[in-house]
Order: sequence, then structure tokens, then C-alpha cells
Amino acid sequence: AQSVTQPDIHITVSEGASLELRCNYSYGATPYLFWYVQSPGQGLQLLLKYFSGDTLVQGIKGFEAEFKRSQSSFNLRKPSVHWSDAAEYFCAVGPNSGGYQKVTFGTGTKLQVIP
Amino acid sequence: DTAVSQTPKYLVTQMGNDKSIKCEQNLGHDTMYWYKQDSKKFLKIMFSYNNKELIINETVPNRFSPKSPDKAHLNLHINSLELGDSAVYFCASSQMVGDTEAFFGQGTRLTVV
Repeated sequence: AQSVTQPDIHITVSEGASLELRCNYSYGATPYLFWYVQSPGQGLQLLLKYFSGDTLVQGIKGFEAEFKRSQSSFNLRKPSVHWSDAAEYFCAVGPNSGGYQKVTFGTGTKLQVIP
Repeated sequence: DTAVSQTPKYLVTQMGNDKSIKCEQNLGHDTMYWYKQDSKKFLKIMFSYNNKELIINETVPNRFSPKSPDKAHLNLHINSLELGDSAVYFCASSQMVGDTEAFFGQGTRLTVV
């Protein structure tokens, strides 16, 4: 069965500092991978997704993520964090067939940004 | 315009009551979903509908009954509410059942007291 692990429940970074949020997945074949952001009181917004091809994926709001098959990881990065990035971030994995209903979400990493 | 909208945003109710959460999407999508996010932020799919037809029911108690009057709406009715039903419920939609991207509503925080 597929699964997603986000090892860090809570991360605090200073504004302007770089950010890396970790995501490890378990899946038997090449997965589809996603990162979502959930701002307080809001739904989930897709930041980026990886299906195939270039393993470095660019997303919205200056985020990027790198798929590393050998490490079963899909870490999210941003070179310089802004206060508005404070939110909860969810990694998700799904099969490359079967549709979105088979996507599994991690339990999230809460990002706090300090001035 | 909001793509996927849920009402209400907050719902506080007593145990044993029956309540409904409404969801509408204006994206022209065929497939809609209900997810439950528990207190530990674990997000789990409950139901999936495609063109008003149920395609997934993930071992959800039958107190939960989704209803899709048309493909733009997927409402969630909950009977005999229990304390453990307290959670944030998200509605989502995707273009088709095989699609690999979904758009989420802002969530409904249900508190059962």
C-alpha cells in the first residue's frame, strides 16, 4: 500500500531564510507526487506536482521540489521564505493510473515564519 | 468566483443531531470528493462521485450519506452525530474520474458537543 511520511510536524524559519520540507513516500512503481499548502481557514492549494520527466519541478509562489527515486523522497524547497508562507504543507502520493481518489496525503508540516 | 465552495464554514452541533454540509463547484468537473481531516491533520478520502454516481465509499459509517443532485453539487448528510465526527470536512473536484489533480474547497469545521 502507498504511504507518505512527513517527518517534521513543525518547522520554524526566519523570514528570508531558505526552507526545505521533507517528504518520503512508499509506492511500488513510479508515483505521482504532489505538494499542497493549506493556509489557516483555507482549503488545500496545489503548489506543484511531479508525474514524469525532469525530477526538479517548479511550482507556484517560488517553490520547487525534487524527486529522488533512490531516496523515495520529494522534498519541497524555497530559497527565501516570506512571512506569507506560514501555513501547513502537505505532501501526497498517487498512482499513475486510477485517478485522484487513490491519492494518499501525509499528515502535514506546519511552517512558522519569524521576522 | 470561488471554484469549489462549501457551506457552512463552521458548524457546531450536539450529539445525536442530523446535519448537512453543502458543496458546489463551478468548474464543470465530472468528479467530486469528500475528505475528512482529523485532529492530527490526517486527510482521508470518504467518498468519490463521478457524474452523480458513487464510485468510492471508503468504509465510512452509513450515518454518512452523500447526495449528488447534479454533477456540480455533492452534499454530505450526517445522521446521529457522534463526538468522533468532529473534524474538518473538505469537498474537492476534478475534471474526470481518472484525473490526477483536484481542487479543494475551504473546508467545513464540524464540532460535535
